[in-house]
Amino acid sequence: EDKVVQSPLSLVVHEGDTVTLNCSYEVTNFRSLLWYKQEKKAPTFLFMLTSSGIEKKSGRLSSILDKKELSSILNITATQTGDSAIYLCAVQETSGSRLTFGEGTQLTVNP
Amino acid sequence: NAGVMQNPRHLVRRRGQEARLRCSPMKGHSHVYWYRQLPEEGLKFMVYLQKENIIDESGMPKERFSAEFPKEGPSILRIQQVVRGDSAAYFCASSPARQGKVGLYGYTFGSGTRLTVV
Repeated sequence: EDKVVQSPLSLVVHEGDTVTLNCSYEVTNFRSLLWYKQEKKAPTFLFMLTSSGIEKKSGRLSSILDKKELSSILNITATQTGDSAIYLCAVQETSGSRLTFGEGTQLTVNP
Repeated sequence: NAGVMQNPRHLVRRRGQEARLRCSPMKGHSHVYWYRQLPEEGLKFMVYLQKENIIDESGMPKERFSAEFPKEGPSILRIQQVVRGDSAAYFCASSPARQGKVGLYGYTFGSGTRLTVV
């Protein structure tokens, strides 16, 4: 059974800090790894990483996939209070379209 | 483009009643997925449907739960004889018809239905 583990489960920082969120996975036939941000409602898509695209960047957010270590990190620089959310990591196998999610990291950015 | 629409946003049911959750996918999307999020847990896959077809229901509890995606109208997740343990947020997601691949931008999730069983 696929498994996704995120760490830390919870993180509290001050505005302006840089944070690194971790995701490790065990999956039989890896296709992709996705990061989502979940505020009070719908998870919103951040990045998809695959064998052919192991590094993505969008503004202050960036993510790297390490296929050797079966892990990924999500970096957020110069954090803002609006970054406060649950960050979800998910993996997809080649055999199907379901996503297996980790428990998420609850990030709180204080002013 | 209205996005994935779920209703109701909140649903309260007494134990033993039925709950019906609706999901209208994004325009042009013909694949629908249901996920459940229990308190303090991540999203758990339940079922994947295309129009008039259940593709993967390996995440559905064996009893009381069913899902459909008819030719016309929204996808429905139905929970019969609800129990307190069914209280959770139920999210629907959709993706375009690409043979089940999540596509370049992952799924698009709806805002969820929060079910409370009292």
